[in-house]
Amino acid sequence: AQSVTQPDIHITVSEGASLELRCNYSYGATPYLFWYVQSPGQGLQLLLKYFSGDTLVQGIKGFEAEFKRSQSSFNLRKPSVHWSDAAEYFCAVGAGSNYQLIWGAGTKLIIKP
Amino acid sequence: ETGVTQTPRHLVMGMTNKKSLKCEQHLGHNAMYWYKQSAKKPLELMFVYSLEERVENNSVPSRFSPECPNSSHLFLHLHTLQPEDSALYLCASSQDRGANEQFFGPGTRLTVL
Repeated sequence: AQSVTQPDIHITVSEGASLELRCNYSYGATPYLFWYVQSPGQGLQLLLKYFSGDTLVQGIKGFEAEFKRSQSSFNLRKPSVHWSDAAEYFCAVGAGSNYQLIWGAGTKLIIKP
Repeated sequence: ETGVTQTPRHLVMGMTNKKSLKCEQHLGHNAMYWYKQSAKKPLELMFVYSLEERVENNSVPSRFSPECPNSSHLFLHLHTLQPEDSALYLCASSQDRGANEQFFGPGTRLTVL
């Protein structure tokens, strides 16, 4: 069965430090891959997506993600986090004939001043 | 109004009540979705409508009843809910049902007493 795993329920980083959020998926073919962010009291907003081509994808707010087929991973990175990045981050995979999104459980990012 | 709007933002109801959640998208999209978001769990897709026709019902209990009168409006009718139905209910829309970005509303926080 298709699945998405975000191994870290929460991560704490200092402001200005680098960030990497992990996402692993289980799917037989190359899926469509997404990262969304949810700020408190808000809906989800798309950060970036991978459909094909260059495996390093640039997104909004200075985020990037790299698709690694051999590791079935799509990790999200940011070189220097800001306090406003504190939010919950969701990885999703679009798979199957109807590209239904399969979601990870989310990683909550906490920023230390 | 722009994007995807949801009303009400908060709802408290008893198990014998009947209420409805409303979603409206101002993006000209053809597909709309209802999701259930519970703490520490992946987003759970409840219903998908494409061009006003329901195309998926992921075995959601019959106490949840969707209605899509046109491509811009989506309702979720609630009756005889259980306390475990307490969650954040998110509405989303996308251009089509394929692998497109989904745009989310802010959600309705539902509490069932």
